[in-house]
Amino acid sequence: DVKVTQSSRYLVKRTGEKVFLECVQDMDHENMFWYRQDPGLGLRLIYFSYDVKMKEKGDIPEGYSVSREKKERFSLILESASTNQTSMYLCASSTASGRIGEQYFGPGTRLTVT
Amino acid sequence: GESVGLHLPTLSVQEGDNSIINCAYSNSASDYFIWYKQESGKGPQFIIDIRSNMDKRQGQRVTVLLNKTVKHLSLQIAATQPGDSAVYFCADCTGNQFYFGTGTSLTVIP
Repeated sequence: DVKVTQSSRYLVKRTGEKVFLECVQDMDHENMFWYRQDPGLGLRLIYFSYDVKMKEKGDIPEGYSVSREKKERFSLILESASTNQTSMYLCASSTASGRIGEQYFGPGTRLTVT
Repeated sequence: GESVGLHLPTLSVQEGDNSIINCAYSNSASDYFIWYKQESGKGPQFIIDIRSNMDKRQGQRVTVLLNKTVKHLSLQIAATQPGDSAVYFCADCTGNQFYFGTGTSLTVIP
């Protein structure tokens, strides 16, 4: 079974703090993704990576950065957390050769910024 | 931007009945469509996909129908079970871009 794990299920941070969200996958997938999920808006892509040390902006990259130093790990960084970044954050991975849409998602991190 | 939406935010069905969840998309260039299931407290799970050169695709107890004329996608679940209770959302793909709908919450009544 593919397993995508995220470092925290729930996180509460203060405005201005630097926040790290970690994602690890154990299936040697080339592609990894970070989304945020908000009520009434659906999933929105923040950043994705097709390879180690490679990153591409998604639809809403402002206020975020990412790091992929190892193939299995993809980190999302909020440089200075703001209240409008309160959301559910979902990490996903997929193979380069597999079906395009078959992304395997982690359980999510619910981040609250106060 | 892309607009992918679902007709109903909630749907309740009796156990054993068939469920139909609908989705509309706006980009006629979309060439690939996916349905996901998201149970409470879990990440989304891939259910079934369909390419734009097909009208229908069947899986285990699920069928996806694509009507490109009206840009409409539906997910049919046969003999709905309590374990099918979840949020279902569609996504469409244009090139490498995915656009996700907001979801329909399906409740199965025992």
